[in-house]
Amino acid sequence: GNSVTQMEGPVTLSEEAFLTINCTYTATGYPSLFWYVQYPGEGLQLLLKATKADDKGSNKGFEATYRKETTSFHLEKGSVQVSDSAVYFCALDTGGFKTIFGAGTRLFVKA
Amino acid sequence: NAGVTQTPKFQVLKTGQSMTLQCAQDMNHNSMYWYRQDPGMGLRLIYYSASEGTTDKGEVPNGYNVSRLNKREFSLRLESAAPSQTSVYFCAARLAGGPEQFFGPGTRLTVL
Repeated sequence: GNSVTQMEGPVTLSEEAFLTINCTYTATGYPSLFWYVQYPGEGLQLLLKATKADDKGSNKGFEATYRKETTSFHLEKGSVQVSDSAVYFCALDTGGFKTIFGAGTRLFVKA
Repeated sequence: NAGVTQTPKFQVLKTGQSMTLQCAQDMNHNSMYWYRQDPGMGLRLIYYSASEGTTDKGEVPNGYNVSRLNKREFSLRLESAAPSQTSVYFCAARLAGGPEQFFGPGTRLTVL
């Protein structure tokens, strides 16, 4: 079945450090891939998405590239800020009504 | 334009009590969802409604019932709460054909 695996957290970084959060997936067909972010006390909100192989999603300095050959969609940011502290969820959608979410990775950024 | 709203924000129940979690969306989206979020387990789908008048079970439906009252509202009912239902509950909505889900702020439920 379809599934998403992302690196366990928490990830703790200093401000201005480089961020990578790994995400790999298993899916039939050609899924759309997403990163959602959850700030403390809030619901999830879409951070970026990619709908086909080799697409790069980007938003707020975050990027992720849809790699079909490695079934991956790793999240990166060149210089994190304290305000990026949140939980990040990788997710996939195969075109039905359901979205499959990873377990989430908590990021702490220290000033 | 409030997006997706949920009530209440917090609730404490005793084992065996019942309650209904309310969700409403003002985006005219067709599909609505109920998830629970537990530490280390991400989001698990409880029930969803692909369109007004239809509901289907998700991954963890036991102990819950839902009602799609109209296009705007989708409620989740716990008939006899158990401590295992202590969780944060999120409602979400999605436009037909669109992959993105829009989430409400969540309800934090504790069952003693």
